[in-house]
Parts: sequence; structure tokens; C-alpha cells
Amino acid sequence: QTVVTQEPSFSVSPGGTVTLTCGLSSGSVSTNNYPSWYQQTPGQAPRTLIHSTNTPSSGVPDRFSGSILGSKAALTITGAQADDESDYYCVLSMGGGIWLFGGGTKLTVL
Amino acid sequence: QVQLVESGGGVVQPGGSLRLSCAASGFSFSSSGMHWVRQAPGKGLEWVTFIRHDESYKSYADSVKGRFTISRDNSKNSLYLQMNSLRPEDTALYYCAKDGGYWEFDSWGQGTLVTVSP
Repeated sequence: QTVVTQEPSFSVSPGGTVTLTCGLSSGSVSTNNYPSWYQQTPGQAPRTLIHSTNTPSSGVPDRFSGSILGSKAALTITGAQADDESDYYCVLSMGGGIWLFGGGTKLTVL
Repeated sequence: QVQLVESGGGVVQPGGSLRLSCAASGFSFSSSGMHWVRQAPGKGLEWVTFIRHDESYKSYADSVKGRFTISRDNSKNSLYLQMNSLRPEDTALYYCAKDGGYWEFDSWGQGTLVTVSP
């Protein structure tokens, strides 16, 4: 059974840069998985940040960017702000009409 | 402005059934694929099911296949999730989400809570 892997937690200083990753338990993530990224703060619905690896959703600040780094999808936050403290989820399209979420990364900004 | 409003959640006993609804507005519902995504209390997000805009294709996560059925009524701008044979592990906040056309979820509702408990 394929699992999508994310770092459980990460910490970044205000103004710093952090890269969160999204991998597969077996195999590599590619653009054919159309990686997307979501931000969720407690008690709120998710907010879509990035789709198709690196395309920002409408209204998303340009400090958020997506890429493929090696065998993983990546979300980079450049110039982190206090209100970036959230849970971040990646999703991979696995083909056959199946989508898989990663377990999420809890980002702390301090 | 896209708006998705879920309803129909509640408390149900194991083995019971529940039907969730999602009322859509602010976009061309009949042209959009739709998903259900759930989140167990304190846990991460889990994709549940997808339906194409014209109901010609549906897909399900293994965890719900054979128990849950997604459907839609384009004349009513509404999405549904029929949940049968419910289990305690189905307890979650259920979100409906609009498919953005690039294998992503581009808009979300606020969710409706389903609790499966004796």
C-alpha cells in the first residue's frame, strides 16, 4: 500500500526559509502526480496553495512556491511570517482516479 | 464567489447510514468535478471519493469502497454522499471540495461532522 510521506513537524524563524517535502513510500514523485499543497489552521477548512507542482492558486502570496526536489515534491516558504504557522498537506494524484494525502507537516514559526 | 455548504452530519450507531449533502453556488456546478474529503478528530486529511461533472465516472478510497456512494443533482447544484455500514473509524469532519481541473481541490466547504458511536 502506497503511503505519501511528509515531515511530521518543522520549525522556522520569522523571515527564514523552509522547505517541506512530500514523498512516496515506494518510488519517486513526479510532475505526473500533479502535486498540490494545502494550508490548514486549527478549526478552519484547508486553503489551496499550489497545484500542478508549482502553480500558485489565486491570492496566494508569492513567498509560497512549489517544485520537485530529487524524488519528492517540495513546498518552499521564503520569508516566513507568523501567520504561516499552520498544518501543511500535500496531495498526489495516483492515477485511476485516486488521490492520496500526506500525513501533514505542522509548521511552527518562532 | 464559490460557496460550498455541507449538511446532514450527526451521530449514528455503528452499522447505520447517513446521507450528506453539499449545496454549491458561485460557479458552474454542472461543469465541475467534485470530491468528498474527511478529517478524523485531531488527524490529517483523507480523500474519500470523486465524481465527474456528468456522473460518468466515480472513484473511491479503498477505506470506503462498497459502503459509500457519491452522487450529484446538477439541476439542484447539489452533491451527495450516501454512507452505509458506518464504522467508528468513519467519525470525521466531512468536507466537500470542488475539483480545479488540474487534479487538485480548489475550493472547500466548512465541513459537516459525522460521529459513529454506540
